[in-house]
Amino acid sequence: QSALTQPASVSGSPGQSITISCTGTSSDIGGYNYVSWYQHHPGSAPKLLIYDVSSPPSGVSNRFSGSKSGNTASLTISGLQPEDEANYYCSSYTSSNTLVFGGGTRLTVL
Amino acid sequence: EVQLVESGGGLVQPGGSLRLSCTASGFTFSTYAMGWVRQAPGKGLEWVSSVSGSGVGSNVNTYYADSVKGRFTISRDNSKNTLYLQIISLRAEDTALYYCARHKIRGVKGPFDYWGQGTLVTVSS
Repeated sequence: QSALTQPASVSGSPGQSITISCTGTSSDIGGYNYVSWYQHHPGSAPKLLIYDVSSPPSGVSNRFSGSKSGNTASLTISGLQPEDEANYYCSSYTSSNTLVFGGGTRLTVL
Repeated sequence: EVQLVESGGGLVQPGGSLRLSCTASGFTFSTYAMGWVRQAPGKGLEWVSSVSGSGVGSNVNTYYADSVKGRFTISRDNSKNTLYLQIISLRAEDTALYYCARHKIRGVKGPFDYWGQGTLVTVSS
């Protein structure tokens, strides 16, 4: 159950768009459309942003979008806002009937 | 309003045991799969365990990360709307904030749509 691979950090200016990648294997991301993304502000509970690769839960801004190609999933945040500064985690269901998270990406809004 | 409130964390010596609880409200607890996710200090999120919701026959299935298998036991008491995590043989690397979370859909394959605020477990002599 190796963690999914995410970049440690990304940054962008307000109004810009950024993309965070999440790389796994054919046993997790590549094998299922069960990829989720979470936003985590330190000190608060994580928040579900995207599930099933590209579905946003009710109430989540449409500035957040997800996609997948092969063993890599991506989260795109458009129109960056200062409050988007947080840690972002991907997660996937696996062929072992388990869940696995990525190592997390720290987003800095410059 | 969905609420998940964890309790039971604290300072424990290596080799000790602990039982974490998560009390749920605002939804039909029995029908949802539930899980535990932890975050060690300065580290990322790590899925720990999940348990299915009650279906026909009231059998539940449990799932564990390899890192905790054999030492952690997840269970639920639907009459009390409470999720548990029993931890034995605690190690320093189990030190973490433990979150309780609800699987949104599709049992344990589904994402976590609601999370508690976490309960801190510190393993130290």
